[in-house]
Amino acid sequence: DSGVTQTPKHLITATGQRVTLRCSPRSGDLSVYWYQQSLDQGLQFLIQYYNGEERAKGNILERFSAQQFPDLHSELNLSSLELGDSALYFCASSVELSGRGGPGANVLTFGAGSRLTVL
Amino acid sequence: GDSVTQMEGPVTLSEEAFLTINCTYTATGYPSLFWYVQYPGEGLQLLLKATKADDKGSNKGFEATYRKETTSFHLEKGSVQVSDSAVYFCALSTGNNRKLIWGLGTSLAVNP
Repeated sequence: DSGVTQTPKHLITATGQRVTLRCSPRSGDLSVYWYQQSLDQGLQFLIQYYNGEERAKGNILERFSAQQFPDLHSELNLSSLELGDSALYFCASSVELSGRGGPGANVLTFGAGSRLTVL
Repeated sequence: GDSVTQMEGPVTLSEEAFLTINCTYTATGYPSLFWYVQYPGEGLQLLLKATKADDKGSNKGFEATYRKETTSFHLEKGSVQVSDSAVYFCALSTGNNRKLIWGLGTSLAVNP
């Protein structure tokens, strides 16, 4: 158990629907990252939050949104789902803001992932 | 821009064979380099890292040396086990925001 909890583990839904993926970071970690992993595109960085604020954006579609709450858990909302959104979605956390460059910088702890299947 | 290139997989080895997974990078400045491993059905986990040139990261029998002159960070293990079967990702972080740049991953299968 990495200490990063993601729910649900598996989710099957239909095109056009909306889903929410949830992530609880490891205790003490303030940064949360969302990644999408698919067979054809590999590991894609979506977005990062630090202590409730958005810090970096990657290849996140406009149909997707995320937020980090005061208790530091994070949610990734995926709407108007398409077949191509089927993928593994990983949440990761780290103790430090990446810009600080300290010993823990960029050492990410990943959750086990949420597998989304869009039919 | 910054990038990481890993050798394509899948790599298939017999138990106790020597493993090398090549990783080269392009980056401005002085990046930190990482190897993460993803076991079947699990998330990625840090395997080892190196933060400056000539540093050697090591863990669980795996090693990688930060070679600035060849911009490489090849992963090696002297004797692989079936339990090493996984996908291995090379990554770097650089720049003011130290954003992580990932390779595409190399799948390793070790047969008994």
